Amino acid sequence: EVQLLESGGGLVQPGGSLRLSCAASGFTFNSYAMSWVRQAPGKGLEWVSGISGRETEYADAVKGRFTISRDNSKNTVYLQMTSLRAEDTAIYYCARDLTRGDGGWDLDQWGQGTLVTVSS
Amino acid sequence: DIQMTQSPSSLSASVGDRVTITCRASQSVRTYLNWYQQKPGQAPNLLIYDASTLQHGVPSRFSGSGSGTDFSLSISSLQPEDFATYYCQRSSSTAVSFGQGTRLVIK
Repeated sequence: EVQLLESGGGLVQPGGSLRLSCAASGFTFNSYAMSWVRQAPGKGLEWVSGISGRETEYADAVKGRFTISRDNSKNTVYLQMTSLRAEDTAIYYCARDLTRGDGGWDLDQWGQGTLVTVSS
Repeated sequence: DIQMTQSPSSLSASVGDRVTITCRASQSVRTYLNWYQQKPGQAPNLLIYDASTLQHGVPSRFSGSGSGTDFSLSISSLQPEDFATYYCQRSSSTAVSFGQGTRLVIK
């Protein structure tokens, strides 16, 4: 069974940093692209970033502030978030691509999310 | 950037009804279009990918169609568990984007 377990969320002040982790199990982690998707309270979905074997992609809203990375030996994908703003407040979901290979960003497996709150 | 616009934003229907949700892209996305269902307090669930391919395990009452800029998600006979929010998503690009969502509520 595929499982994605996010952690690292919490309350942070504006301008602060936070690192989210997503521990994966139940599949060959290094064969799949992974994404982070966020959802502000009461709002819709926003794709944040994705990482395949070789490449990373970012939404314009987070480019230069967030960094996605992965450790295939730990079956874990990370999202390092810096210069956080109030508008970054959201549930952050980790998600897996539907098929192996480069990121097509068809997201068929999702974690339950971790809440990030940016507030003073 | 390509914008994804769903309509309607909210839809009221009854169990057994057939409903259709549309998604329009500001430029052609070919068939790189997915549909997700999200229930309150849960993560999204992939229903349709590549515009019309039903994800494994999704009931056959769900169907997707379209290409280029105009897409639709149809549910042939609404079941109680189908009342949720639905999102379209442009995929397979460096600028992934979601529609704003369509909330399907019980009439």
